[in-house]
Amino acid sequence: EDQVTQSPEALRLQEGESSSLNCSYTVSGLRGLFWYRQDPGKGPEFLFTLYSAGEEKEKERLKATLTKKESFLHITAPKPEDSSTYLCAPTGGQNFVFGPGTRLSVLP
Amino acid sequence: DADVTQTPRNRITKTGKRIMLECSQTKGHDRMYWYRQDPGLGLRLIYYSFDVKDINKGEISDGYSVSRQAQAKFSLSLESAIPNQTALYFCATSGRANQPQHFGDGTRLSIL
Repeated sequence: EDQVTQSPEALRLQEGESSSLNCSYTVSGLRGLFWYRQDPGKGPEFLFTLYSAGEEKEKERLKATLTKKESFLHITAPKPEDSSTYLCAPTGGQNFVFGPGTRLSVLP
Repeated sequence: DADVTQTPRNRITKTGKRIMLECSQTKGHDRMYWYRQDPGLGLRLIYYSFDVKDINKGEISDGYSVSRQAQAKFSLSLESAIPNQTALYFCATSGRANQPQHFGDGTRLSIL
């Protein structure tokens, strides 16, 4: 059975304080892993796709990395507007399994 | 205009009522999905459709049904609503396999 966990469940950072979020997964025949952010009252918004171990993607203050068992979302010098819930979703091809998310708060 | 539109955005109803949630998209995607989101449980797949003639059950399809009326329209029905179906419901679309999904802004459903 495909499973996904994310840690920590919640994270509070001061503006400028870098950190990392973890996504651990067990998915048969991984075809890709997606990161999303979700703001209150909104649907998840796509951030990154990673297709193979060792791959990295960057967007502004965010960098996503992938190994065979985990993915990390590194946040460098975050700003308050980075506050959101971050979801990871590995896929074996047919459908998606979403992690429960990490709720990030960045304080000014 | 939003690429994936869900109606209604909010709905309060009573146990036993029939409810339909609608989703339409302008992205031209063949694949469409319905999820529910509950605090602490994340998004769980209810049904998905890879084209107009294809409907598949997801992880938690009991108590739900769907209809794919056209490439752009996918509706979710609760035939006889019960309180534990109170949740946030999301519709999503995607292109080919292994491409990311694009979500609507959800329907908040409360069943009393």
